[in-house]
Amino acid sequence: NAGVTQTPKFRVLKTGQSMTLLCAQDMNHEYMYWYRQDPGMGLRLIHYSVGEGTTAKGEVPDGYNVSRLKKQNFLLGLESAAPSQTSVYFCASSYWRGSGYTFGSGTRLTVV
Amino acid sequence: DQQVKQNSPSLSVQEGRISILNCDYTNSMFDYFLWYKKYPAEGPTFLISISSIKDKNEDGRFTVFLNKSAKHLSLHIVPSQPGDSAVYFCAASVEGAQKLVFGQGTRLTINP
Repeated sequence: NAGVTQTPKFRVLKTGQSMTLLCAQDMNHEYMYWYRQDPGMGLRLIHYSVGEGTTAKGEVPDGYNVSRLKKQNFLLGLESAAPSQTSVYFCASSYWRGSGYTFGSGTRLTVV
Repeated sequence: DQQVKQNSPSLSVQEGRISILNCDYTNSMFDYFLWYKKYPAEGPTFLISISSIKDKNEDGRFTVFLNKSAKHLSLHIVPSQPGDSAVYFCAASVEGAQKLVFGQGTRLTINP
């Protein structure tokens, strides 16, 4: 019973490089989310998905793209990384809002 | 535009005493509120929730109070234990929206 798995756990990128963060859940949840956590800012929603094949923008979507080709996977892409994207990224999934989210353990990304 | 605010970045409480964490919100459309707990290097975990039709919800040592007129909610932990030391986030959502808006978090430290 893995829950929500994020890969990688750590990554250092150079400015301008690209990368994809992978989120996988095994709970058959419809809803999936990508958040970033920054000091003093809490958790801010980047993009989310309400089902396979759907995506929507959150509060801070600029510089990121997402895809949900399979129900269990939600990918977050950075096409051209910038130092401002240095953060801890959390993926989450939920069945419905009342049950709360299940979060992954996070990806710590540093852009130099 | 911070719709959910936790104005205390940190709180220190003696073991066995009551811990009270506070959260204010500005969006009157929020109708569901949750608290999450986060340990270092882990993802947040769901703690307790409350619907706007209630003003109190209790689960063991944890009680959440909602004051809709003041747009304020609080989390009470009684008695506080060392394992409660963590960062606590409050979150809120609007009916029909499957996404949560989080506060900045409060770091709770329980002293022996």
